[in-house]
Amino acid sequence: AQKITQTQPGMFVQEKEAVTLDCTYDTSDQSYGLFWYKQPSSGEMIFLIYQGSYDEQNATEGRYSLNFQKARKSANLVISASQLGDSAMYFCAMREISQGAQKLVFGQGTRLTINP
Amino acid sequence: DTGVSQDPRHKITKRGQNVTFRCDPISEHNRLYWYRQTLGQGPEFLTYFQNEAQLEKSRLLSDRFSAERPKGSFSTLEIQRTEQGDSAMYLCASRTGTYDYGYTFGSGTRLTVV
Repeated sequence: AQKITQTQPGMFVQEKEAVTLDCTYDTSDQSYGLFWYKQPSSGEMIFLIYQGSYDEQNATEGRYSLNFQKARKSANLVISASQLGDSAMYFCAMREISQGAQKLVFGQGTRLTINP
Repeated sequence: DTGVSQDPRHKITKRGQNVTFRCDPISEHNRLYWYRQTLGQGPEFLTYFQNEAQLEKSRLLSDRFSAERPKGSFSTLEIQRTEQGDSAMYLCASRTGTYDYGYTFGSGTRLTVV
């Protein structure tokens, strides 16, 4: 079974600085997908960025980029020019296929706090 | 279509009572998921529907839990004889089969069992 590890329970960053949230994964599959979600205090999981295992370039979406290092099995999220509204929980997730069903497996999350 | 809707947003119930939650997915999404998220943890998979068929259930889903998706549209998750350990956020997500990504989550139902 796939496993996602996020080793930073909390991160504190000054506004406008860049921040990297760590994510490592474990899988024996050759084809897989990696996701990052943001969860504000309202509870909704907001999709940020996706990286397929065969994508040759790192994914980018606006201020978000994914530093994908396949050999190291890491998929770190980089947020550039952080904003106060970036304060939230961030979850790394991987697509898992079992019993014919595709679903997401999540890490434990990192709480990001942006200080003014 | 404004996304995945979940109702209620919050539910407080006494131990031993039954509760039911509803999820309305995005209309063109034929795949629907239920997840449970306890405090300080990431969401954990509970069950999955493709159209009206329940194709997978996690071992986390004890006999007290049942989920349905009649007619392949909205879904309900019922917990019978609630226990304090059932207190959690229950998240619903939906997606089409077209894209590898594209999961859309609702805002969740926060259950507190007292």
